[in-house]
Amino acid sequence: NAGVTQTPKFRVLKTGQSMTLLCAQDMNHEYMYWYRQDPGMGLRLIHYSVGEGTTAKGEVPDGYNVSRLKKQNFLLGLESAAPSQTSVYFCASSYSRSDGTQYFGPGTRLTVL
Amino acid sequence: AQKVTQAQTEISVVEKEDVTLDCVYETRDTTYYLFWYKQPPSGELVFLIRRNSFDEQNEISGRYSWNFQKSTSSFNFTITASQVVDSAVYFCALSEGPGGYQKVTFGIGTKLQVIP
Repeated sequence: NAGVTQTPKFRVLKTGQSMTLLCAQDMNHEYMYWYRQDPGMGLRLIHYSVGEGTTAKGEVPDGYNVSRLKKQNFLLGLESAAPSQTSVYFCASSYSRSDGTQYFGPGTRLTVL
Repeated sequence: AQKVTQAQTEISVVEKEDVTLDCVYETRDTTYYLFWYKQPPSGELVFLIRRNSFDEQNEISGRYSWNFQKSTSSFNFTITASQVVDSAVYFCALSEGPGGYQKVTFGIGTKLQVIP
């Protein structure tokens, strides 16, 4: 039982490049989330999904797209990376109809030059 | 709108001292959940505790204890006899309502440094 895993762990991009971050969970959770963590700002929700095939915008969705084609996977895409997207990205998952306890992946550190 | 305030951005203590991390929240819901997460220097976010709004009993787990007071909208976290391994950023979080999707609001975190 690996919990929530994220790939890659680190990535450096040049401005304008694209990439996809992969999140996978093996806990059969319905809900999945993508957050970014920046110094002094805590965790901010980018997008979330309440089930396979569904996605919704969070607080800071601009510049990101997501897809949830399979229940266990949640992909975060950056189509044209910008230096403002330099951050640590966390994926999380939780059961539906619960108290909202989220379980986090180890994070991806992304630098955009 | 829900809000979580962690007024202490950084705290330093000497090993074996007790330390309390403050968390104040705002919500209009009568049913909500409060959480604490730990983020050690390695970077992962570790779930520590969950409390629902109907359960004001304090909780103790080893050297950790949590004091939930609805009257002051606070959910404070105390570490007794701190150790170097407690050095981390601690996040308080709030989730509103049972069932369905619940938005979780995180505080900005308190960085705790335990000095040997």
